Amino acid sequence: NAGVTQTPKFQVLKTGQSMTLQCAQDMNHEYMSWYRQDPGMGLRLIHYSVGAGITDQGEVPNGYNVSRSTTEDFPLRLLSAAPSQTSVYFCASSYRWDRSEGYTFGSGTRLTVV
Amino acid sequence: DAKTTQPNSMESNEEEPVHLPCNHSTISGTDYIHWYRQLPSQGPEYVIHGLTSNVNNRMASLAIAEDRKSSTLILHRATLRDAAVYYCILSPAYSGAGSYQLTFGKGTKLSVIP
Repeated sequence: NAGVTQTPKFQVLKTGQSMTLQCAQDMNHEYMSWYRQDPGMGLRLIHYSVGAGITDQGEVPNGYNVSRSTTEDFPLRLLSAAPSQTSVYFCASSYRWDRSEGYTFGSGTRLTVV
Repeated sequence: DAKTTQPNSMESNEEEPVHLPCNHSTISGTDYIHWYRQLPSQGPEYVIHGLTSNVNNRMASLAIAEDRKSSTLILHRATLRDAAVYYCILSPAYSGAGSYQLTFGKGTKLSVIP
């Protein structure tokens, strides 16, 4: 099993550019989510999905879009990058949405917006 | 989500057991107790979780107090690879729409001395 795969691992964007962070899992997990981690602030939930075709906002959704057309993939789109979006982004998945199972995290995408 | 209190840092000698404490005096009856760890420059890694009874897996043991107001993560034999930040997280089993977040605090930074 590959687990949760995130690409790219590193990215530098200019302000105003758009891009998509990819997340794929091969564990048939129904729940997937995106977090960002900033120094001294812990991880914060951006968007999540409880199944294909179902997405919803987390704590910090502004400036990001998601879609879930398949069980395996959950891409995160930055619409117009801003320096405040410089962060490390983690994708996580779980077999169940109700936290009765543990989450599997990807290794992260380190994004710098200049 | 209910709050947890963990020591900021702990030290352990290699090959000795480690007991990482977590206080959660406001825990509710449906809150799962999750433990994750994060190694430097990596994504969080699921360690163990439980509801009421003590739990064991290949990585660690989770001892839950009878009143559930505290818990202890036990690493039976610390290795250098166990040096990480350990997070104790309370997570409601059924929290309704819009609240699917794992709330990561500052955690306990564990140092392992060779």
